[in-house]
Amino acid sequence: EDQVTQSPEALRLQEGESSSLNCSYTVSGLRGLFWYRQDPGKGPEFLFTLYSAGEEKEKERLKATLTKKESFLHITAPKPEDSATYLCAVQATDSWGKLQFGAGTQVVVTP
Amino acid sequence: NAGVTQTPKFQVLKTGQSMTLQCAQDMNHEYMSWYRQDPGMGLRLIHYSVGAGITDQGEVPNGYNVSRSTTEDFPLRLLSAAPSQTSVYFCASSYGKSGNTIYFGEGSWLTVV
Repeated sequence: EDQVTQSPEALRLQEGESSSLNCSYTVSGLRGLFWYRQDPGKGPEFLFTLYSAGEEKEKERLKATLTKKESFLHITAPKPEDSATYLCAVQATDSWGKLQFGAGTQVVVTP
Repeated sequence: NAGVTQTPKFQVLKTGQSMTLQCAQDMNHEYMSWYRQDPGMGLRLIHYSVGAGITDQGEVPNGYNVSRSTTEDFPLRLLSAAPSQTSVYFCASSYGKSGNTIYFGEGSWLTVV
């Protein structure tokens, strides 16, 4: 059974204080690993898709990396507007597009 | 371009009532799905569809029905609402069956009393 575990559950950062979020996964065959951002009262907003170990993608202050067992979302010099819940999800090769989500990491960045 | 549109945004139901959550997408996506989100549990797949006329069950399908008569629409029906169905529901869509970006709607907040 596919499983996704995110840690920590919550993270409080000072503005400018870099940190990393972890997403550990087990899946029969990985089609893709997705990162989403979710603001309160909103739907998940797509950030990145990673397809193979060693792949990295960046967007502004965010950088996602992937190994065979986990993914990291690095937040460099965060700003208050980076406050959100970050969701990780995996898609298996035989899943017909279905996503298995982790519970998310709630990030709060204070000025 | 509206993307994925869900209605209603908020709904309160009494136990035993039925209702339909509407979902429409204007991106000509083949794949559509419904998830529910509960505190501490992440999003869980209810039902999905890989094209008009084709639907299948996800992880938590009990108490819900779906149909896909057109490419654009994928309604979720609650047959006899129960308090355990109090949740936030998200509709999603993507082009193709796997590996492509999955886009989510803004959510429908449902309370069953």
